[in-house]
Amino acid sequence: GDSVTQMEGPVTLSEEACLTINCTYTATGYPSLFWYVQYPGEGLQLLLKATKADDKGSNKGFEATYRKETTSFHLEKGSVQVSDSAVYFCALKETSGSRLTFGEGTQLTVNP
Amino acid sequence: GAVVSQHPSWVICKSGTSVKIECRSLDFQATTMFWYRQFPKQSLMLMATSNEGSKATYEQGVEKDKFLINHASLTLSTLTVTSAHPEDSSFYICSASFRGGGSYNEQFFGPGTRLTVL
Repeated sequence: GDSVTQMEGPVTLSEEACLTINCTYTATGYPSLFWYVQYPGEGLQLLLKATKADDKGSNKGFEATYRKETTSFHLEKGSVQVSDSAVYFCALKETSGSRLTFGEGTQLTVNP
Repeated sequence: GAVVSQHPSWVICKSGTSVKIECRSLDFQATTMFWYRQFPKQSLMLMATSNEGSKATYEQGVEKDKFLINHASLTLSTLTVTSAHPEDSSFYICSASFRGGGSYNEQFFGPGTRLTVL
């Protein structure tokens, strides 16, 4: 079955540091890939997405590129802010249907 | 657009009582709604998928008599935790999607409901 594996956390960075959160996936077809962010006590918000190989999703300074050859979708940001502190989830969705498969989540804390 | 609300945002109840959580799509008609459960510092676990007007499809290991899901209209789904026990304490999150909601049927998530059973 489909699965998503994320880099283990928690991750603690200083403000303006570079961020990479690794995400790899296993899927039978050609899934769409997503990064969601969850702030404390809240639901999930879609951060970015990519629907086919070599697509790059970007939003709020975050980027991730759909790499079919390495089955990866790593999340990157060049300079993090305190307000980026949250839990980040990588997820995939097969072409048919709406079902999402989530990774374990990575807690990011950014210190001033 | 594409806002999903949940009510209540948190609830505390006594063991043995039933609790109903509402999930509403505020500005679109949701053909499909999903219910997730999230334990502290863990990922989301899909509990069930419901389509308007039909019975919910439960994931393996989820007791359908324990977690009653009703999707009575295109804007409302409810999750009722029956005879709640402390082990049912968790964060419950719903999401909704609509046909034609992007080429990938994006799910829009509610803010979650924190259930604590004493």
